[in-house]
Amino acid sequence: KAGVTQTPRYLIKTRGQQVTLSCSPISGHRSVSWYQQTPGQGLQFLFEYFSETQRNKGNFPGRFSGRQFSNSRSEMNVSTLELGDSALYLCASSLRATSGGTEAFFGQGTRLTVV
Amino acid sequence: AQSVTQPDIHITVSEGASLELRCNYSYGATPYLFWYVQSPGQGLQLLLKYFSGDTLVQGIKGFEAEFKRSQSSFNLRKPSVHWSDAAEYFCAVGSGNMLTFGGGTRLMVKP
Repeated sequence: KAGVTQTPRYLIKTRGQQVTLSCSPISGHRSVSWYQQTPGQGLQFLFEYFSETQRNKGNFPGRFSGRQFSNSRSEMNVSTLELGDSALYLCASSLRATSGGTEAFFGQGTRLTVV
Repeated sequence: AQSVTQPDIHITVSEGASLELRCNYSYGATPYLFWYVQSPGQGLQLLLKYFSGDTLVQGIKGFEAEFKRSQSSFNLRKPSVHWSDAAEYFCAVGSGNMLTFGGGTRLMVKP
C-alpha cells in the first residue's frame, strides 16, 4: 500500500510569489491535515480536511489556504510569500476524522525556501 | 488549550544503554497520545499510540511508552539503544487528525 505522497519535495520561491503544494493520502483515507515545521516554532497544525470540507484550522493568516478534492487529494496554497514561510510542510492522512483516536500517517514533506 | 512539553531538547546516550524520553501533556479530556520519530529531512514515522486500556503500550523498533494520568506524562522508553535510533522524537496529543506536538527531543547515540 503506497504511503502519503507529497509533491514537490523541494521548492524555491521568491518573496511575494504564491505556491501550491500537493498531497495524495493513503488509499482509502479521507482525512488530510497539513502542518508547518520550522526550527523556531516547531510543528504547527495548519488545517484539516475531510470529505472536501475544512474541519479545523490552526492559527495561521489567511494567506494559507487549502482544499480537498473528491478523491481525497489535497492542495495547500500560500499567497504573497514571506521569508518566514520557509519551512518543511508536512501532510498527514488518516482513515477518518472523528473526535476519537485515529492514527495519522505523514508524508516526506515539501521543503519550501523563500528567497 | 492542549499542550505538550518535552523537557529535554537534546539527549546523548551510549549505544546499548537504556533510554527514556520525557513527555508531559495538558489536555482537557481523555488524551490520545502519540510518539513519532523523524530522521533528518524526512517525514514523521509513528512509533506508538495510546488511546485507552493498558497504560503500557508497545511500539515498533523495540520502543514502549507508559501513560500516567496522575502525572500527565507519556514517557518513551527503550531498553537498549542502537546507533540507528539517532533521530528527533516528538510526543503529540490529538483528536482525530489534528495533533499538537511537543518541541521534540534530539537523540544522539555514542558508539
